[in-house]
Amino acid sequence: DTAVSQTPKYLVTQMGNDKSIKCEQNLGHDTMYWYKQDSKKFLKIMFSYNNKELIINETVPNRFSPKSPDKAHLNLHINSLELGDSAVYFCASRQGTYNSPLHFGNGTRLTVT
Amino acid sequence: DQQVKQNSPSLSVQEGRISILNCDYTNSMFDYFLWYKKYPAEGPTFLISISSIKDKNEDGRFTVFLNKSAKHLSLHIVPSQPGDSAVYFCAASNAGGTSYGKLTFGQGTILTVHP
Repeated sequence: DTAVSQTPKYLVTQMGNDKSIKCEQNLGHDTMYWYKQDSKKFLKIMFSYNNKELIINETVPNRFSPKSPDKAHLNLHINSLELGDSAVYFCASRQGTYNSPLHFGNGTRLTVT
Repeated sequence: DQQVKQNSPSLSVQEGRISILNCDYTNSMFDYFLWYKKYPAEGPTFLISISSIKDKNEDGRFTVFLNKSAKHLSLHIVPSQPGDSAVYFCAASNAGGTSYGKLTFGQGTILTVHP
């Protein structure tokens, strides 16, 4: 059984479009994250939700909007896509907010043309 | 400001020998450290962690060492196996304030283990 699953795995779209990435975890965790891995391979945190409440919101353009309908789901909607948004986006979850490992999904490779 | 740094982009080791991956950090507030392994087209997989109250943690072939005074941690893999070939990320966090245990990652080291 997949613990943290993201869809789609690949997403190719044109500049200016709006797209969403979905994430679901079946680990019973109460905290979920979105990380972005850029072209230099750095993994940088974007958002975190704990029990559906936003707790971390890094310096991310307003075009990115996370939504957590329940503890098991965290979606990422991106408006007006730009070339610089091309990256791999990883969803992750953990139990609690510290001193426990994150469990990652397999990533969504977004390519904006 | 890169608070977690892995200065070696790559490491090549012979099967059966020891692999040593290094990581330096600058934030003295970090109190929990982790190592992840990542294969291509997959997400990072948790390997081993250590809290700042310890200086060593061992799990099978993997041992993590923490030197708080030097702000340095390392991952030892003994013996190395070809299946260990992957990108290794170190990460750090602190529980205090509004950081909410946010994990900050290094840029990764590509480990290649030759048969």
